[in-house]
Amino acid sequence: AQTVTQSQPEMSVQEAETVTLSCTYDTSESNYYLFWYKQPPSRQMILVIRQEAYKQQNATENRFSVNFQKAAKSFSLKISDSQLGDTAMYFCAFMSPSGTYKYIFGTGTRLKVLA
Amino acid sequence: GAVVSQHPSWVICKSGTSVKIECRSLDFQATTMFWYRQFPKQSLMLMATSNEGSKATYEQGVEKDKFLINHASLTLSTLTVTSAHPEDSSFYICSASRVRGEKLFFGSGTQLSVL
Repeated sequence: AQTVTQSQPEMSVQEAETVTLSCTYDTSESNYYLFWYKQPPSRQMILVIRQEAYKQQNATENRFSVNFQKAAKSFSLKISDSQLGDTAMYFCAFMSPSGTYKYIFGTGTRLKVLA
Repeated sequence: GAVVSQHPSWVICKSGTSVKIECRSLDFQATTMFWYRQFPKQSLMLMATSNEGSKATYEQGVEKDKFLINHASLTLSTLTVTSAHPEDSSFYICSASRVRGEKLFFGSGTQLSVL
């Protein structure tokens, strides 16, 4: 069974600094999708970034980028120039296009950006 | 962009009553909808997966007779919490999928409080 692990329950970063959130997963599949979702205090889930496993290139979205290491089954999120609005819960998620259709979420990392 | 509307945002009910939560995809057809439950400061727990016109698939440990899910059309899924009790109090989130591998579109969630 696939699993997603986020080993950092809480993190903090100074405004304008860079922070990296870690995520590891376990799967025997070769083709899959990985996501980072953000849940701010409003509790609305927002997609931060999406990575297709068969793509070598790391996905980037403005200040957000990932370090996707397929062999190591690692998918970390780097937030550059952190802003107060980045304060949120961040969830890593895994989805395989084959078999039972479901998204598996990690336990989350609570990020606080300090002024 | 694709929008998922979830209503109500919050509901307070007496123990023993039933509560219905609606999840609508406003501008796209959702082939699959997922229902999650989230406890404070915890991750999303998948309750069930529903496809239009077919019975929902419930996760292990989720009582299908208590949490009734109906996916009557490609744009509407409902979750009914029957005979609610205080332990059913939680934040319920729906999400919709257009295509496997694409991001999930999330509703804004429903906070249920059972007195």
